[in-house]
Amino acid sequence: GAVVSQHPSRVICKSGTSVKIECRSLDFQATTMFWYRQFPKQSLMLMATSNEGSKATYEQGVEKDKFLINHASLTLSTLTVTSAHPEDSSFYICSAPTGTGGMYEQYFGPGTRLTVT
Amino acid sequence: GEDVEQSLFLSVREGDSSVINCTYTDSSSTYLYWYKQEPGAGLQLLTYIFSNMDMKQDQRLTVLLNKKDKHLSLRIADTQTGDSAIYFCAEMASYGKLTFGQGTILTVHP
Repeated sequence: GAVVSQHPSRVICKSGTSVKIECRSLDFQATTMFWYRQFPKQSLMLMATSNEGSKATYEQGVEKDKFLINHASLTLSTLTVTSAHPEDSSFYICSAPTGTGGMYEQYFGPGTRLTVT
Repeated sequence: GEDVEQSLFLSVREGDSSVINCTYTDSSSTYLYWYKQEPGAGLQLLTYIFSNMDMKQDQRLTVLLNKKDKHLSLRIADTQTGDSAIYFCAEMASYGKLTFGQGTILTVHP
């Protein structure tokens, strides 16, 4: 299957600081990527849709000023958690649909574990 | 709105078949998916099925879809200890967006 990478895999930051998470499609181009959040022992919740060359679309209840998304190129989307607080600690996972399979073939990155102290 | 439900736990013996069930509510779902998640890892796409199909087989995996009842199942034949993981079903109704179930924890005993 297609490969999606995330960096960093784990990050610990202090409350009030900002953290940037990168999502890359390694062997295909993705005009759209998706960001999900997963709490321990829970399911994934879609946070936002990242669109190359335009603004991200956020799901209801997700603060766009807190979770800044930038889709800088056809292979890179970044999620910046601004002024992080302990309640932002979570597992953040991105996904990208492949061009060959259309939007219905989606591959996920390995996830980034964020811990805010 | 979209809702996807799964049973939370399944325990089987090595070599037996595992069947994980999922129900969904959105009749406009176009694709339905099964993903596998191992501890601390991302999601691995196992298989997916288009909503106009009722069965798909891929090696040890068989997906059955009953669109009338909005019921999806994943059968794993000859289950191995390496199959122990969390299995998520998901449905795509809106373009590209996936709605996930809570995940089924599959435990395989030797």
